[in-house]
Amino acid sequence: GAGVSQSPSNKVTEKGKDVELRCDPISGHTALYWYRQRLGQGLEFLIYFQGNSAPDKSGLPSDRFSAERTGESVSTLTIQRTQQEDSAVYLCASSQGLAGVADTGELFFGEGSRLTVL
Amino acid sequence: AQSVTQLDSQVPVFEEAPVELRCNYSSSVSVYLFWYVQYPNQGLQLLLKYLSGSTLVKGINGFEAEFNKSQTSFHLRKPSVHISDTAEYFCAVRGGYNKLIFGAGTRLAVHP
Repeated sequence: GAGVSQSPSNKVTEKGKDVELRCDPISGHTALYWYRQRLGQGLEFLIYFQGNSAPDKSGLPSDRFSAERTGESVSTLTIQRTQQEDSAVYLCASSQGLAGVADTGELFFGEGSRLTVL
Repeated sequence: AQSVTQLDSQVPVFEEAPVELRCNYSSSVSVYLFWYVQYPNQGLQLLLKYLSGSTLVKGINGFEAEFNKSQTSFHLRKPSVHISDTAEYFCAVRGGYNKLIFGAGTRLAVHP
């Protein structure tokens, strides 16, 4: 598709269950970012991928959070043993990649996956 | 380290009135600044960005922003707002690995 695609759009789960959130970036974008947006708050950075590697994982809040990216395309964010404080919208963004003369600096965002932990 | 402060969490305004949404940043390196808009239940959409050059930046939907290095500000303005401008607005600064560091957001509520 033309934009960043995320699934599921909504996920309701019980405390203690594992969840997987998927992001399909814009074709050809080598950089991929995950953010978390709690209700009424700004966006918290979670992790950055350049290709298949993750040079910046500094925003992952605990070891229950992990992410991977395969084939320089799809990325999956996994939350193990979910807690109620994990309830949020998880946003994925992609961009062209490393900064260069032609880099516009813009991140393109998906519509997010809304996670509710009961 | 870079950071962004949005001074107003909510801004109510009447339709056709002017509006200014304030943003201050902190950065020790070259500054790249962005404003994004988020309509209800949607993702973020870029309004405008400052990378270099003219300090007055024009964006979509009639918005503009001015980069002020001495005041470390990047305030967003629109001379006449519409009901359809009701949304959450986020200011951001580029950080390491080109990630964006966002402010807490300003909710603009336009009333008839």
